[in-house]
Amino acid sequence: TQLLEQSPQFLSIQEGENLTVYCNSSSVFSSLQWYRQEPGEGPVLLVTVVTGGEVKKLKRLTFQFGDARKDSSLHITAAQPGDTGLYLCAGGGSGTYKYIFGTGTRLKVLA
Amino acid sequence: GAGVSQSPSNKVTEKGKDVELRCDPISGHTALYWYRQSLGQGLEFLIYFQGNSAPDKSGLPSDRFSAERTGGSVSTLTIQRTQQEDSAVYLCASSSTWNTQYFGPGTRLTVL
Repeated sequence: TQLLEQSPQFLSIQEGENLTVYCNSSSVFSSLQWYRQEPGEGPVLLVTVVTGGEVKKLKRLTFQFGDARKDSSLHITAAQPGDTGLYLCAGGGSGTYKYIFGTGTRLKVLA
Repeated sequence: GAGVSQSPSNKVTEKGKDVELRCDPISGHTALYWYRQSLGQGLEFLIYFQGNSAPDKSGLPSDRFSAERTGGSVSTLTIQRTQQEDSAVYLCASSSTWNTQYFGPGTRLTVL
């Protein structure tokens, strides 16, 4: 069974601080996605990474896919209250539409 | 254009009753997914449709859960004889490509 563990589970920080969220598995994934979900809404896709070692940047967010394609990280620079939400990673297998979602990291950025 | 819509947004039911949850995907999206999310946790995969076929039903928790999709569009998730542990947010997503799912706002189900 493929599992994706995220850490930390909860994170509360002050505006302007940096943070990193981790997504780990013992399984290899063909692709890895990161989503942000706000209360009362569905998750919204932030990025998809497909190559081991790949790094993608989205404004203040930096996403990295591990060399072995078993793990990923999300780094936020100078966090803002608007970054508050539930961050979810999701791993996809080759030749399939199915994604396995991680356990989630709930981030709260205080003004 | 319109996104994925789900109805109802909230459903409160009594234990033992049947419920139907509806998902209207983005027009033209061939793939449709159902997930369950308990109290702000990660998403639990339930079922995946490609067109009207469900090649992967592996996530359905029990035979009380069923889903269908008609005309390659609307999907209905049915839960029979609901139990309190069925209480959760049920999310639907649709996709036209392998790497992009668009989620609806979810249906919050509360079983009393």
